[in-house]
Amino acid sequence: GAGVSQSPRYKVAKRGQDVALRCDPISGHVSLFWYQQALGQGPEFLTYFQNEAQLDKSGLPSDRFFAERPEGSVSTLKIQRTQQEDSAVYLCASRGPGKGANVLTFGAGSRLTVL
Amino acid sequence: AQTVTQSQPEMSVQEAETVTLSCTYDTSESDYYLFWYKQPPSRQMILVIRQEAYKQQNATENRFSVNFQKAAKSFSLKISDSQLGDAAMYFCAYRSARRGAQKLVFGQGTRLTINP
Repeated sequence: GAGVSQSPRYKVAKRGQDVALRCDPISGHVSLFWYQQALGQGPEFLTYFQNEAQLDKSGLPSDRFFAERPEGSVSTLKIQRTQQEDSAVYLCASRGPGKGANVLTFGAGSRLTVL
Repeated sequence: AQTVTQSQPEMSVQEAETVTLSCTYDTSESDYYLFWYKQPPSRQMILVIRQEAYKQQNATENRFSVNFQKAAKSFSLKISDSQLGDAAMYFCAYRSARRGAQKLVFGQGTRLTINP
């Protein structure tokens, strides 16, 4: 597609529910990133994929967070047993191949509210 | 670990005037990239300008320019002839040029208001 598409745009979950957030990157982009942006803060890195390989998951805040990209295109971020502190906007970004200061293209994010 | 600091939570400027947003960063590396991103209410982060640390010349993109001071670890953004559409959150970000380093480290952001 022309841009990075994320769904749903808004998600309200009750505490303890599981949620799944989807990211559809730009076609051909091998690198895919997830970021978490709390209200009034800058985005914080969660995890990074190169094709289907998850090369860095150092930013995932707990084992309740899980991300996958099984075929190297669409990615899903899953949060199990959601807590109120998980409320945030979850941003996905993708980047094409090549080295250097190649630009990340971001999606519009999924806003998660945990009640 | 690298950190990025934006000391101005909010800034405002009159339409058509010039405004400068501040950013400082902390790193022990010599080669890296710096970025300014704009985030309007629609939430989609848009790249405004980027700078490679090995380049001494300051980057410029139309009305946007940076003042990159490597020794001072400072990377400010100047917006000339401010327009109403420039109103947004602005984030400064750092990325290492080290092989395998991929993630962006963001500052806390500066909310820019344009007064008509």
